[in-house]
Order: sequence, then C-alpha cells, then structure tokens
Amino acid sequence: DQQVKQNSPSLSVQEGRISILNCDYTNSMFDYFLWYKKYPAEGPTFLISISSIKDKNEDGRFTVFLNKSAKHLSLHIVPSQPGDSAVYFCAASDGNTGKLIFGQGTTLQVKP
Amino acid sequence: DAGITQSPRHKVTETGTPVTLRCHQTENHRYMYWYRQDPGHGLRLIHYSYGVKDTDKGEVSDGYSVSRSKTEDFLLTLESATSSQTSVYFCAIRGTGSGEQYFGPGTRLTVT
Repeated sequence: DQQVKQNSPSLSVQEGRISILNCDYTNSMFDYFLWYKKYPAEGPTFLISISSIKDKNEDGRFTVFLNKSAKHLSLHIVPSQPGDSAVYFCAASDGNTGKLIFGQGTTLQVKP
Repeated sequence: DAGITQSPRHKVTETGTPVTLRCHQTENHRYMYWYRQDPGHGLRLIHYSYGVKDTDKGEVSDGYSVSRSKTEDFLLTLESATSSQTSVYFCAIRGTGSGEQYFGPGTRLTVT
C-alpha cells in the first residue's frame, strides 16, 4: 500500500509557463511534506517543504500548496525554465524518526 | 553541499558475493539513512541510524544489514548479493530544519 503517490509519470510545459506537479498521500500523521528535484546520475536535491499545519509555502519561483482535507499537495513552478527539466519527487516525513516516504516521481520537461 | 560522500560510486559484482557500500559525512549529523531507487518506485528506505550503534529497519530491509561504529560513517552490507539488489543506492543525513534530508551522490550497483 503506497502512502505517497504521484499519479502523473511525466509532464511537458513550455518555457515561461506554469508547471504544476501533484502528489497524494494517505497518512494524516506526517509532519512535513517535501519536494525534491533529481537530475540523472546525481542525488536528489531538496527544493522546498511545508509543515502539516500550513497550507502554503513559497520560495522564489517555487510554491507548495497543501490541502489537508483532500490529502493532496502540489508544487507550482512559475515561470518554468529549461533548467527545471528533471525528475521531481514528493515525500512525506515521519516526525519521530525523520524517515521519508517518497512518491514514484514525475519527469518534468520544459521546452524552450 | 551537506558534506556527504559515497563509495564506491559504481560497482559490478556477481550473485552471491558480499558487498559493502560506505557513506561518509563531515558535519556530525546524528541521523543517517540508506535508500534505494528503482524505476517506478521512487526512493525506498532500507535502514537508518539515529546514533552510533543505533540502527533500525526501513521498508525494504530484507537482505541488507548496516553498521555505524562512528558518527561520520554508515555502512550498508549486502551479505550475499542477488540480481534484485541491482539498484542505485543513496545515503542521506537529516537536516535541522523542516524535515528535510540531504543526499549523497549515489552508488550504482549491478549484480550479475
């Protein structure tokens, strides 16, 4: 039973437009939700997180929204740039152990 | 840069042989984690450590053991490698902020 799911394996957007990546979860006890970006042959890079008691967090071009009633979070990238092309993972954190549970990932392609 | 290195970066081994992967950190973090990444599964936790000689299992721990004899090193051992353990392995440390972890560059392991 997968606790964190990314249902879209891929997404393609035009440079300058908005990219929206989605993630669903099942466990209401997670304390933080996070987004990671991964390029081939590199480790995942932390992008942005949100506390379970918040509904929005913004950092430059990246904004994460949390809808607790729907158990859904999304990452908005505005404006999208070709360098944003990568695999994006959402993850949920267990507050006691710090363990992360990851979604399957979404491959974002930003076309020039 | 969280000061995490992994060795080796690439390894090819035969079925049935023992393999040890090393994770080294330079910033005295208490929590360390081992994940594997496979297509369609995102990253899955193998084992984690919450201090010297303190370790616990993750969701895919069968066939793996770990050891942490000093703060800076966390070792992952495959006692008898199988083809199903062909994967990319990532080590991570727990940050001090909002649930985030910082990842090493990964080790690509192929079991033939």
